[in-house]
Amino acid sequence: KNEVEQSPQNLTAQEGEFITINCSYSVGISALHWLQQHPGGGIVSLFMLSSGKKKHGRLIATINIQEKHSSLHITASHPRDSAVYICAVRGSGGSNYKLTFGKGTLLTVNP
Amino acid sequence: SQTIHQWPATLVQPVGSPLSLECTVEGTSNPNLYWYRQAAGRGLQLLFYSVGIGQISSEVPQNLSASRPQDRQFILSSKKLLLSDSGFYLCGAVRDVDYGYTFGSGTRLTVV
Repeated sequence: KNEVEQSPQNLTAQEGEFITINCSYSVGISALHWLQQHPGGGIVSLFMLSSGKKKHGRLIATINIQEKHSSLHITASHPRDSAVYICAVRGSGGSNYKLTFGKGTLLTVNP
Repeated sequence: SQTIHQWPATLVQPVGSPLSLECTVEGTSNPNLYWYRQAAGRGLQLLFYSVGIGQISSEVPQNLSASRPQDRQFILSSKKLLLSDSGFYLCGAVRDVDYGYTFGSGTRLTVV
């Protein structure tokens, strides 16, 4: 079983819809990251969370440490949001800052 | 802010040929550096990380090696590529966790 599980694997939405992507993890963490990978492959860091909620534009990320769960929400989705969204966690020990990644959620937003 | 330059973007190599992928970091000093691989249908997997010049830690046994000859240079190598080395290779860096991670644009390697 992967340490980081994402759902759904694939998500298709119509432009304007509210989108939620979920991430569950099974280990103690010091931080959780949401990343965006575009078709060319490059990865951009969207959020780094250790508690609560963060918002950037139409993107909102929440984390519940007790339940070991995080969600990424996209409001008023747009075709340019189409990408793979990846959840990654950093363990709670050591200083090497290694990340463990989920397999990603492929989001397609149709016009 | 940190910027990572990674090249080449795509590479097609025959089985048995050598490999050298380079990653350089700008805008920071003494970062932790990482090589990840993403095989088809799978998540990113950590291959190597480095906390300083000449210091390399390997996460999984494999046909690849890594070196860090300079503070902001991280190289992924192989003497003889295997078909199973095909995948998407990504370089990452973090100077301090409070500043978050930066990733390169990746190299898509196809071994034929």
